[in-house]
Amino acid sequence: KNQVEQSPQSLIILEGKNCTLQCNYTVSPFSNLRWYKQDTGRGPVSLTIMTFSENTKSNGRYTATLDADTKQSSLHITASQLSDSASYICVVTRQSGGYNKLIFGAGTRLAVHP
Amino acid sequence: DSGVTQTPKHLITATGQRVTLRCSPRSGDLSVYWYQQSLDQGLQFLIQYYNGEERAKGNILERFSAQQFPDLHSELNLSSLELGDSALYFCASSVDRGVGELFFGEGSRLTVL
Repeated sequence: KNQVEQSPQSLIILEGKNCTLQCNYTVSPFSNLRWYKQDTGRGPVSLTIMTFSENTKSNGRYTATLDADTKQSSLHITASQLSDSASYICVVTRQSGGYNKLIFGAGTRLAVHP
Repeated sequence: DSGVTQTPKHLITATGQRVTLRCSPRSGDLSVYWYQQSLDQGLQFLIQYYNGEERAKGNILERFSAQQFPDLHSELNLSSLELGDSALYFCASSVDRGVGELFFGEGSRLTVL
């Protein structure tokens, strides 16, 4: 079954600390993996998008990794800021003929406290 | 600003009523997606259009319908509204059929009383 599992479900960290969010997937055939940041009540914003051949991709203080063999991805946030408080959503694209299907994870809710 | 415009931003209506949500994709984007997000829940895929044609359907209720017009804007129609339909409805667009970048609008918050 094509699924995307994220962990932890929620996380609280102190400002300035680092954290890592996990994403495991069973989606096949795989096209790409994306990480989105969603502030409460706002639309998701793309952080990174990685294809099969990419292991690491950075966007400022956000670094995503992808292990296509184990079907795992992580999102590492460095030197967290209060503005990082949001839900982080992992999305895997499944190839489906000429059209692709996006499989969404449930998200990890991150709270950064001063 | 993602370039995807959704209207209205907020909508309050009563059970049994019908509403229409509108989405204007980014200039040049051919695909439009609709998602529903209930309180503290993940995004649930409803439906996708590509260049005016329906291409994929998710967990969309029969009371809901959508279409994409020749100018590529899309509308999501919700009828016989129930309390449980209260949610944020997001539209997203992409230039292609789902491989590339997806840009989300700011959503339409529907409250059914």
